[in-house]
Amino acid sequence: KAGVTQTPRYLIKTRGQQVTLSCSPISGHRSVSWYQQTPGQGLQFLFEYFSETQRNKGNFPGRFSGRQFSNSRSEMNVSTLELGDSALYLCASSFGQGKWNEQFFGPGTRLTVL
Amino acid sequence: AQSVTQPDIHITVSEGASLELRCNYSYGATPYLFWYVQSPGQGLQLLLKYFSGDTLVQGIKGFEAEFKRSQSSFNLRKPSVHWSDAAEYFCARLDYKLSFGAGTTVTVRA
Repeated sequence: KAGVTQTPRYLIKTRGQQVTLSCSPISGHRSVSWYQQTPGQGLQFLFEYFSETQRNKGNFPGRFSGRQFSNSRSEMNVSTLELGDSALYLCASSFGQGKWNEQFFGPGTRLTVL
Repeated sequence: AQSVTQPDIHITVSEGASLELRCNYSYGATPYLFWYVQSPGQGLQLLLKYFSGDTLVQGIKGFEAEFKRSQSSFNLRKPSVHWSDAAEYFCARLDYKLSFGAGTTVTVRA
């Protein structure tokens, strides 16, 4: 099975712009979670989608949003970019809840905001 | 809030020596615990996981971890470190999301 894929791998934007990142989960996985990784804050949970519905959300401002499509692929969007949004954004997919919620991570998208 | 603590920010170990990385979790019901490894510029790779049962868990790449409820710990060990083990290691706890420790960077010297 192919792993979790994320596109693009690298992205450079300027303050005030918006950005969309994409994640394709492992085939058969219906849950997609997003995490932000920064040197200062570490790995932080953004949100989780399951069957096109946001199930859980972390403590991030409304500028961060996401969606999931019927094929389980997910996108996250960040509007009005700030310098502090520079980070590695990781997507993880899982089959579902409980012990089946073992999460498999993609390689990440490195976002740099100038 | 439930949390995970990794007390060691950075560890240096000689190639061939043993390695132990510490992880403590906050109290709660039997936790789902994981260890992940991240090489520079890469995503997270699962080394091993603990859900219940046998408290000594074997993982990939020769790693193992021991769950100790009395100490709220889930320490990762490897008997003999290889240069390729140089990376950052994260302990994590799962409820509806993964809560990660701050990570431990491992440097391997020749």
